[in-house]
Amino acid sequence: QSALTQPASVSGSPGQSITISCTGTSSDVGGYNYVSWYQQHPGKAPKLMIYEVNTRPSGVSNRFSGSKSGNTASLTISGLQAEDEADYYCSSYTSSTLEFGGGTKLTVL
Amino acid sequence: QVQLQESGPGLVKPSQTLSLTCTVSGGSISSGGYYWSWIRQHPGKGLEWIGYIYYSGSTYYNPSLKSRLTISVDTSKNQFSLKLSSVTAADTAVYYCARTLSGYSDFDYWGQGTLVTVSS
Repeated sequence: QSALTQPASVSGSPGQSITISCTGTSSDVGGYNYVSWYQQHPGKAPKLMIYEVNTRPSGVSNRFSGSKSGNTASLTISGLQAEDEADYYCSSYTSSTLEFGGGTKLTVL
Repeated sequence: QVQLQESGPGLVKPSQTLSLTCTVSGGSISSGGYYWSWIRQHPGKGLEWIGYIYYSGSTYYNPSLKSRLTISVDTSKNQFSLKLSSVTAADTAVYYCARTLSGYSDFDYWGQGTLVTVSS
């Protein structure tokens, strides 16, 4: 049972936009602006896509954006492309540990 | 370009100690500014933060693993290591080493991961 709740799966067609949610509590997502998002392709290490809620690392497409409202953070991918099909994980800092969500499988139809 | 590479046994017997080393290249651990972390992923499951260490030796552990966990750093070899004692089948996972700038969950560089199986 992950501390952060994500939908198990989302899907979208090429060119569309999708949003993945990550729900926590006031002790993690809601309490700190330290939410990150990771993309993981099968058999590969995770890749940092967003950190500090809405900051993109250098080299990450601006099709990826992050936001937060209350205890829920969100990752939005616009202009879906086939290569976006992957698992996505959120993570959040807490006062005592770092937590990850259970992951969301994105299928590009 | 920073690169991280995990190494260690792929098979560990129950009740023994799991030991892994992460070798960092393309940057010096002793230059400071980063936290060096271990993260694991159970087969087909999500990610779990294990802990991290600063170049000075300061450590931060996942409370759920703290009693069995030791993370250490060897700046002369540009390596950091993980020891997890009294392992069970529940510790079977892919173990990743990673770097975080702030210590606040932004892991920007990762190793390729190494599968460790706990079995007799």
